[in-house]
Amino acid sequence: NAGVMQNPRHLVRRRGQEARLRCSPMKGHSHVYWYRQLPEEGLKFMVYLQKENIIDESGMPKERFSAEFPKEGPSILRIQQVVRGDSAAYFCASSLEGTGATYNEQFFGPGTRLTVL
Amino acid sequence: GDSVTQMEGPVTLSEEAFLTINCTYTATGYPSLFWYVQYPGEGLQLLLKATKADDKGSNKGFEATYRKETTSFHLEKGSVQVSDSAVYFCALSDRMNDKVIFGPGTSLSVIP
Repeated sequence: NAGVMQNPRHLVRRRGQEARLRCSPMKGHSHVYWYRQLPEEGLKFMVYLQKENIIDESGMPKERFSAEFPKEGPSILRIQQVVRGDSAAYFCASSLEGTGATYNEQFFGPGTRLTVL
Repeated sequence: GDSVTQMEGPVTLSEEAFLTINCTYTATGYPSLFWYVQYPGEGLQLLLKATKADDKGSNKGFEATYRKETTSFHLEKGSVQVSDSAVYFCALSDRMNDKVIFGPGTSLSVIP
């Protein structure tokens, strides 16, 4: 059973370009979470999605950032018009169940390291 | 809101030394508690977890006990190895909102 897959592992963009980060959850998992890790900092929650629905986006910047998890295919975190401050590692996690589960164990992908020049 | 506090690093230990990384949390409900480890250049791996008070999580020689009375989940290992050098994150998951809230991480370096 493959783990959480993220691609690309490294992404370089110039200021003003768009960045698309992909996450394929573990087989059978329908809950996906995105986190951002800025240099020398811990992980910060961004958004929680189930298939075709955004459940909680309270950690997502209001502008330029969007996320989706379509019925088919991976979850996508999209950053428009990137700025240098977007440079970070973006981690995706998936879980089997969400609210109401006995515990919410999230399995993390290897991350995408975004560098904005 | 919910939060996690960890002892600040970096922590440098000699091989075979005893390790303690302190972690305390604030939560309104009854969270699950986790320790994650991040090796250089890699993603996070779940090291151990505890889902209720007095549970002890253990893995690879690491242990942590869920102490509700002191709201703590300290990580311990009796004898560290060079290969344990990594960043360790204490985290909690509040079952009401599904977020995992991470502490800032503690960097551990083990020298031969």
